[in-house]
Amino acid sequence: QLQLQESGPGLVKPSETLSLTCTVSGGTISTTSYYWGWIRQPPGKGLEWIASIYYGGNTYYNPSLKSRVTISVDTSKNQFSLKLSSVTAADTAVYYCVRLMSTMTPDYWGQGTLVTVSS
Amino acid sequence: SYELTQPPSVSVSPGQTASITCSGDKLGDKYACWFQQKPGQSPVLVIYQDFKRPSGIPERFSGSTSGNTATLTISGTQAMDEADYYCQAWDSTTAVFGGGTKLTVL
Repeated sequence: QLQLQESGPGLVKPSETLSLTCTVSGGTISTTSYYWGWIRQPPGKGLEWIASIYYGGNTYYNPSLKSRVTISVDTSKNQFSLKLSSVTAADTAVYYCVRLMSTMTPDYWGQGTLVTVSS
Repeated sequence: SYELTQPPSVSVSPGQTASITCSGDKLGDKYACWFQQKPGQSPVLVIYQDFKRPSGIPERFSGSTSGNTATLTISGTQAMDEADYYCQAWDSTTAVFGGGTKLTVL
């Protein structure tokens, strides 16, 4: 059974960079059939797609976040990562890592990790 | 930017049929999918590619599209179906979510 697990600091200071890693188990990240990505959900609010990546390196970014976001993949560790720079309180959210079908439909989700931006 | 519009809330009596809509420009030309999210849990995919149901999702969940609107239908709604539901579509190079609909089973 495929499992995705987010890891990273739960508290980030304003203006700093948020860094999260997703470890994939029960399957390989180097698959031709799927993409991998990040989605976030501010407390009490809806879902927002952040970015997606193919193991070969193709990336897609939410235009509203693109200038601050980097997504990368490490096939040797079966992991992919998210970096979000210059964070503010508005970036406080539960961050989910996901697997996406070729149609860009997220079909597997991690349990999510709450990241709070506060000094 | 592309937008998907959902009603904020829908109410249904147990055993009845619930319909949740998702509207967007030329949505019928894209694949729509639906997620169920219960409090404190990760979203779960219940419909993909407009009408396909993932393994393990009950048959009472179905999806359809017509023109600019995708619809999630829950037949014989059960108390356990009370949750937030989100539609999603891929527009060019961007994934877009609807604002979500809170389904209340009264």
